[in-house]
Amino acid sequence: DTAVSQTPKYLVTQMGNDKSIKCEQNLGHDTMYWYKQDSKKFLKIMFSYNNKELIINETVPNRFSPKSPDKAHLNLHINSLELGDSAVYFCASSGDSLNTGELFFGEGSRLTVL
Amino acid sequence: SQQGEEDPQALSIQEGENATMNCSYKTSINNLQWYRQNSGRGLVHLILIRSNEREKHSGRLRVTLDTSKKSSSLLITASRAADTASYFCAPFSGGYNKLIFGAGTRLAVHP
Repeated sequence: DTAVSQTPKYLVTQMGNDKSIKCEQNLGHDTMYWYKQDSKKFLKIMFSYNNKELIINETVPNRFSPKSPDKAHLNLHINSLELGDSAVYFCASSGDSLNTGELFFGEGSRLTVL
Repeated sequence: SQQGEEDPQALSIQEGENATMNCSYKTSINNLQWYRQNSGRGLVHLILIRSNEREKHSGRLRVTLDTSKKSSSLLITASRAADTASYFCAPFSGGYNKLIFGAGTRLAVHP
């Protein structure tokens, strides 16, 4: 059973298109995140939701819109894709009872914008 | 929230050797976590050390924490080719503070 699953794993699209990445976790965690990893391997946090409420919103273009229909799902929709959006997007969740902040990551969704 | 800074950026060793990577951070923490990322995969949590701990072991991993110097080190003993990966540290300050990752240490273990 995959704890944090993302779809699709690979996404190739043209500039200007709109695309979505979906994430689901079956760990019962309350908090979910989106991170972006660029070609230099820096992982940057984008958003975080706790029980469907947005709690972290970094300086991200408003072309990026997260949506959390329930606490087990956090989707990422990107409008008007640009070349610079090419990256690997990771979903993660946390919520252990001791609040250690430990993150469980998905396998990533590699987005290539042509 | 704060970012951990890993050092060195890259490390190349032979199988069987030990690998040591370091992490520095800036403000007080509840714990510090180390993660591994294999090429093309997501990050995997390796080990967590609490602020009141000085050393922790897990299999071939040994983590130390010096809160007075705001630094941590991860030692992998008797390394294997399968240990080839990037390693990230993440200081955690509690609550809704987010985990911020640095560029990591890229470890290459050669057979």
